[in-house]
Amino acid sequence: DAGVIQSPRHEVTEMGQEVTLRCKPISGHDYLFWYRQTMMRGLELLIYFNNNVPIDDSGMPEDRFSAKMPNASFSTLKIQPSEPRDSAVYFCASSFRGQGNSPLHFGNGTRLTVT
Amino acid sequence: GQQLNQSPQSMFIQEGEDVSMNCTSSSIFNTWLWYKQDPGEGPVLLIALYKAGELTSNGRLTAQFGITRKDSFLNISASIPSDVGIYFCAGHRRGGTSYGKLTFGQGTILTVHP
Repeated sequence: DAGVIQSPRHEVTEMGQEVTLRCKPISGHDYLFWYRQTMMRGLELLIYFNNNVPIDDSGMPEDRFSAKMPNASFSTLKIQPSEPRDSAVYFCASSFRGQGNSPLHFGNGTRLTVT
Repeated sequence: GQQLNQSPQSMFIQEGEDVSMNCTSSSIFNTWLWYKQDPGEGPVLLIALYKAGELTSNGRLTAQFGITRKDSFLNISASIPSDVGIYFCAGHRRGGTSYGKLTFGQGTILTVHP
């Protein structure tokens, strides 16, 4: 079984550029989560979707961040314009029937560096 | 927001030693989870706990869901070099705006010397 697939694995961009991170959840999973990981703040939940609908985006740092899930097999996280403080590893994760009922499966992350 | 206090922050041990780490919270959780993260990869679920007092084992790993529902511990027996990584606890609360969200601890970095 393919796990959660994220692309790209690494992204280096200059400040001010638009960045788009992509995620393909595990087939059949109805929840999708975007997390950000940094040394200082650990794992932070940015936003999550249930059946392609955004449920809670209270973790999105500011308006420069946006996420979409046009269908059950694809989601994007966009940062426009990017800033150096956005440098982090961004994880996508998916689960079935919510995290309390089934394991949360993480992708291998996208390491973003904004110079 | 909700906070999970995970300790210790890091551990340096000899191969063969046992390891213990724990998480505490000021809030009650309905589910406790323990994840391990290897370098360059995402966290992988080790053990899930669904009932207060539950004690669950997975090979050399044992975890318990505290009776108060505000804490959990993870033990690793007879550590081996491949146990190296970052271990995270995570809690889940049902209901309201918390449903579907996990709160993660800060992680315990484990180093095992051969």
